[in-house]
Amino acid sequence: KQEVTQIPAALSVPEGENLVLNCSFTDSAIYNLQWFRQDPGKGLTSLLLIQSSQREQTSGRLNASLDKSSGRSTLYIAASQPGDSATYLCAVDNQAGTALIFGKGTTLSVSS
Amino acid sequence: DAGVIQSPRHEVTEMGQEVTLRCKPISGHDYLFWYRQTMMRGLELLIYFNNNVPIDDSGMPEDRFSAKMPNASFSTLKIQPSEPRDSAVYFCASWTGFGYTEAFFGQGTRLTVV
Repeated sequence: KQEVTQIPAALSVPEGENLVLNCSFTDSAIYNLQWFRQDPGKGLTSLLLIQSSQREQTSGRLNASLDKSSGRSTLYIAASQPGDSATYLCAVDNQAGTALIFGKGTTLSVSS
Repeated sequence: DAGVIQSPRHEVTEMGQEVTLRCKPISGHDYLFWYRQTMMRGLELLIYFNNNVPIDDSGMPEDRFSAKMPNASFSTLKIQPSEPRDSAVYFCASWTGFGYTEAFFGQGTRLTVV
């Protein structure tokens, strides 16, 4: 059974810092990994999708990497801003490749 | 497309009452998921459908929970009878499957059972 772990559970940084969020998963036989953002009281918004054949994806100040063999992914946020404050969730598909299994997320707070 | 649409956004009900949550997926998405989110357990997959057929309901916590997808544009999650421990945010999501595109989530239904 696929399990996803995210470290740290919470992170507080001053504005302008570069930071890394970590995600690990137990079964390396995945089709894809997705990073989501969730604002308080809101739904999830997809940030980046990395297919199993890819090593990384970039969108603006966000860069996500995937090391499938070791079961790890990182989300790098450059020059953090207060608007980046949210919960970031990592998700991988199940063994059938038909559903997403989520970690519990990292809650990020960026102070100005 | 307006995205995944869930209703109601908030529901407060008394213990023992029946609760029905509704979802309209994105047109053309073959997969529909129901998740439950709590502080303690995070996001839990309850059930998912492929082409309107339930594929895996192993995440449904009890027989009090049931889900249907009568057509490609509508799904319901029903709890009967509801209990206070069912209080959570319930999300619906749709997807084309197999990681070729992102999954899209609705805004969620916040359920409070008193």
